[in-house]
Amino acid sequence: GESVGLHLPTLSVQEGDNSIINCAYSNSASDYFIWYKQESGKGPQFIIDIRSNMDKRQGQRVTVLLNKTVKHLSLQIAATQPGDSAVYFCAENIGEDSGAGSYQLTFGKGTKLSVIP
Amino acid sequence: ETGVTQTPRHLVMGMTNKKSLKCEQHLGHNAMYWYKQSAKKPLELMFVYSLEERVENNSVPSRFSPECPNSSHLFLHLHTLQPEDSALYLCASSQDIEVNEKLFFGSGTQLSVL
Repeated sequence: GESVGLHLPTLSVQEGDNSIINCAYSNSASDYFIWYKQESGKGPQFIIDIRSNMDKRQGQRVTVLLNKTVKHLSLQIAATQPGDSAVYFCAENIGEDSGAGSYQLTFGKGTKLSVIP
Repeated sequence: ETGVTQTPRHLVMGMTNKKSLKCEQHLGHNAMYWYKQSAKKPLELMFVYSLEERVENNSVPSRFSPECPNSSHLFLHLHTLQPEDSALYLCASSQDIEVNEKLFFGSGTQLSVL
């Protein structure tokens, strides 16, 4: 079946370095993608989203890259800080033109990011 | 603080108990959701309410019973649960369900069924 998955379940980075978290998707109809961050003891928190008419979107210290050719999504965190330690989820959905709603997101399993001080 | 509050934060119950999880959102959103988060599994959507009407029920066992008395409150009533129901139960809200929008999650209720 089609699914969203992650290349690496865990990632350890040195404080100050850049982090890259990867996500593969297989549903060719997906055209909306989201990254969530979940800190210990908290619910997932929205980080950034991207639609398929874009291949890059930047936020504060975060960049999402979308490669539709190979169905790959990545989240880049610049100058990683201890507060970035969390589990990061990617999620996908088909577009509103296809009748999709927020409740039809498909989530990946998550990648745990650990920042070494 | 996301504007979505869940209580209790932790719950331990026996298989014959009846308990309820509560969720309240202070964001003026029209849609509310229950998700289940188990270890090593992706988030699983359980129920969706839009303007207090149930929209989605993803083949959830009847021992889970949702209730949405108004657009700000959502409950999940639990009875005769199984140990495999132990998980983090997350409530979320969004402005609407018709389009892709941000979900705002609460901190969840960590449920242990003995």
